[in-house]
Amino acid sequence: IQMTQSPSSLSASVGDRVTMTCRASQGISNFLAWYQQKPGKVPKLLVSAASTLQSGVPSRFSGSGSGTDFTLTISSLQPEDVATYYCQKYDSSPPGFTFGPGTKVDIK
Amino acid sequence: QVQLQESGPGLVKTSGTLSLTCTVSGDSISRYYWAWIRQSPGKGLEWIGYVYFGGSTYYNPSLKSRVAISVDTSMNQFSLTLASVTPADTAVYYCARGVPAFDIWGQGTLVTVSS
Repeated sequence: IQMTQSPSSLSASVGDRVTMTCRASQGISNFLAWYQQKPGKVPKLLVSAASTLQSGVPSRFSGSGSGTDFTLTISSLQPEDVATYYCQKYDSSPPGFTFGPGTKVDIK
Repeated sequence: QVQLQESGPGLVKTSGTLSLTCTVSGDSISRYYWAWIRQSPGKGLEWIGYVYFGGSTYYNPSLKSRVAISVDTSMNQFSLTLASVTPADTAVYYCARGVPAFDIWGQGTLVTVSS
């Protein structure tokens, strides 16, 4: 199963609503996670099961989707959200943990 | 709290074998998935493989012929070996806990492959 993400990069203003997408080449139900990686830092799990926000993650982040198409939304972009965002599938058919290529977000 | 720490040589010679260990504290390695992920300079994340439920393993098909992951339950550690390395294997190597999404990561260790 291949994972694709779009766009590869985006630039938005503080306060903007930002949406990025992830597509699986085959259906993966909701076995989809989103990670945030700030420059020089360790990746951080934001969302699991496509839409379950991890504890401590700001509520401006939300995930949605099922099957092959998924979305991560930042409702009001903040300077600390500058990062690369990766999606990852983790279903068991086949049992791999493939990452998407990432979407780089910065401030306009 | 759960912590993971990678250890191993930071420099490996071309055609040699890369060996890293991840020490887990605050959780038992006999449950969940325990994975290795790498990130080449300026590139994205690539999962290498994982061990789960105390011993079963699964590897990224693109690396399968060169990779082995083992577990030492007595030490609460799991290890990665990657054979026949080339400069293309230069990367930051992370270990992580999978539940099954990777919720806890080590700090990562840079391994450089050079002649």
